[in-house]
Amino acid sequence: GAVVSQHPSRVICKSGTSVKIECRSLDFQATTMFWYRQFPKKSLMLMATSNEGSKATYEQGVEKDKFLINHASLTLSTLTVTSAHPEDSSFYICSARDPGRPSYNEQFFGPGTRLTVL
Amino acid sequence: AQSVSQHNHHVILSEAASLELGCNYSYGGTVNLFWYVQYPGQHLQLLLKYFSGDPLVKGIKGFEAEFIKSKFSFNLRKPSVQWSDTAEYFCAVNKFTGNQFYFGTGTSLTVIP
Repeated sequence: GAVVSQHPSRVICKSGTSVKIECRSLDFQATTMFWYRQFPKKSLMLMATSNEGSKATYEQGVEKDKFLINHASLTLSTLTVTSAHPEDSSFYICSARDPGRPSYNEQFFGPGTRLTVL
Repeated sequence: AQSVSQHNHHVILSEAASLELGCNYSYGGTVNLFWYVQYPGQHLQLLLKYFSGDPLVKGIKGFEAEFIKSKFSFNLRKPSVQWSDTAEYFCAVNKFTGNQFYFGTGTSLTVIP
């Protein structure tokens, strides 16, 4: 149980285009999902908290207009990187809490999406 | 600033050696603590977690960690490592009152057969 998937696993795009990444909770409903960015040989940086039915909460320094987050249903959150540039190339990981588990905020992570902007 | 620190960036051990990876955090108040592992090409997997109770927690694959509140530490240990333990290890902290996780910078472990 508590499986989180991401699509696509890899994406290559041209500079200036937009890319959408999906995060799905497969066997539970997630009112809250999280988006992280992982740089090579670095840790995960929390970008934003995605709340179902309301606006996302962004961490300091993360551009809201650059990284659009939509959490339209209890099993799906999307991250859209708008007008992507090479410096946006990174590994993007989502996670979700399963409110049905009495496990004190434990999060379940997706497999990540490798974005390469040419 | 509040943070999570992992002091060992890259550790190289021979098989059967003992392992200890340090993790310190600077958040005040009640926290939940986690260690995650990321094997090459795979996604993050939970090794173990501490919420309350016995400060010595045991996880999967023979790993354990000890929460020392006075030192704000949650060090990961394994008595005898195997080649298959080669991976990135991340310490994470979650404030009891919040949802967000904050990760340390990670430790790359290489186990030589």
